[in-house]
Amino acid sequence: QVQLQESGPGLVKPSETLSLTCSVSGGFIKGYYWSWIRQPPGKALEWIGYVYYSGSTNYNPSLKSRVTISVDTSKNQISLKLSSVTAADTAVYYCARLYDSSVDVFDIWGQGTMVTVSS
Amino acid sequence: QSALTQPPSASGSPGQSVTISCTGTIRDIGGYNYVSWYQQHPGKAPKLMIYEVSKRPSGVPDRFSGSKSGNTASLTVSGLQAEDEADYYCSSFAHSNNLLFGGGTKLTVL
Repeated sequence: QVQLQESGPGLVKPSETLSLTCSVSGGFIKGYYWSWIRQPPGKALEWIGYVYYSGSTNYNPSLKSRVTISVDTSKNQISLKLSSVTAADTAVYYCARLYDSSVDVFDIWGQGTMVTVSS
Repeated sequence: QSALTQPPSASGSPGQSVTISCTGTIRDIGGYNYVSWYQQHPGKAPKLMIYEVSKRPSGVPDRFSGSKSGNTASLTVSGLQAEDEADYYCSSFAHSNNLLFGGGTKLTVL
């Protein structure tokens, strides 16, 4: 059974870069798209972007200028970097696997990790 | 403001049916048959319930069904059970390889 586990700092200062890692266990990164999704407290889900195991990416246009998603197949990990953060970036960040070869169906999710942007 | 519009709340009694709508535009829901629905219990990660408008993943009860008409997709939960009480989010593939979520609907089982 594939499991995803997000990790990273729970507190980031404004204007700095948020960095998170998603570790994949029980399966392989190869052959799938992997995505990051976030959810501000009490609010809706927001798609951040995805990366294919080959390294190709696609990002939410509203975040594209600040986001980098990458994959490390040797470590079975996916990474997220979000630069120039503000309080509006405070959210639970989820990594998720995209089903089959789709780019829009998230079939496996991590438990999420809360990131607060504050000085 | 979320790109896809959902009612903030819905409710029904045990055994009844409830339908949750998700309205978009021709550039997302209306233009593609790539609508998904997710269930989220408090403090938990979302769970895929419906994909490609009306397909159910293995393990999802057939009480959950999806449909689409024009720019509006719908999730129907039949035979409501207490454990169905949760937040439900729709999502849709959109123009320019974008992906949109709805604002979420809180389903209450009375």
